[in-house]
Amino acid sequence: DQQVKQNSPSLSVQEGRISILNCDYTNSMFDYFLWYKKYPAEGPTFLISISSIKDKNEDGRFTVFLNKSAKHLSLHIVPSQPGDSAVYFCAASARGGDDKIIFGKGTRLHILP
Amino acid sequence: DTGVSQDPRHKITKRGQNVTFRCDPISEHNRLYWYRQTLGQGPEFLTYFQNEAQLEKSRLLSDRFSAERPKGSFSTLEIQRTEQGDSAMYLCASSLLQGSEQYFGPGTRLTVT
Repeated sequence: DQQVKQNSPSLSVQEGRISILNCDYTNSMFDYFLWYKKYPAEGPTFLISISSIKDKNEDGRFTVFLNKSAKHLSLHIVPSQPGDSAVYFCAASARGGDDKIIFGKGTRLHILP
Repeated sequence: DTGVSQDPRHKITKRGQNVTFRCDPISEHNRLYWYRQTLGQGPEFLTYFQNEAQLEKSRLLSDRFSAERPKGSFSTLEIQRTEQGDSAMYLCASSLLQGSEQYFGPGTRLTVT
């Protein structure tokens, strides 16, 4: 059973526009959420995280929004740049992030020139 | 600090052979995690250590798999009597105690023929 779901396998966005990647989760025990970015032949790289006590966290061009009632989070990238083309994984953890991380299947983001 | 390193980067082995992978975490990180990633999937948790203690093992980790972290530094993951289904990318990550931002290595790609 997929506890973390990324229903869009891929997404194409024009350079300079906003990229929005979505993620849903099913486990109510999750209280810490993360986004990772992965380039081919490399391990995932941590991007941004959010605790369930917040509904928004921002870091430069990246903003993560959390809607606990809907069990939904999203990652916004503004403006999108060519180097953002990668696979993005949504991930979740329980116990304030002190538990193992459960990953979604990923969304491949293509930034178009 | 150069981050998490893994060795080898690639391993091709015949079915039935044993293989061992090594992970060197970021030096001050107490926690070390092993994940497996197959095509089209996100990383799947296998096991993790806090210092030298193995705290949790996934049901994905069959009896043919064993992991160690002697002295709480580097870790090894051994797969005995490899099967074709073991072909995957094996990722190692490390984090600070009670920190959830895991830093990943580049992975070891295993191909079982």
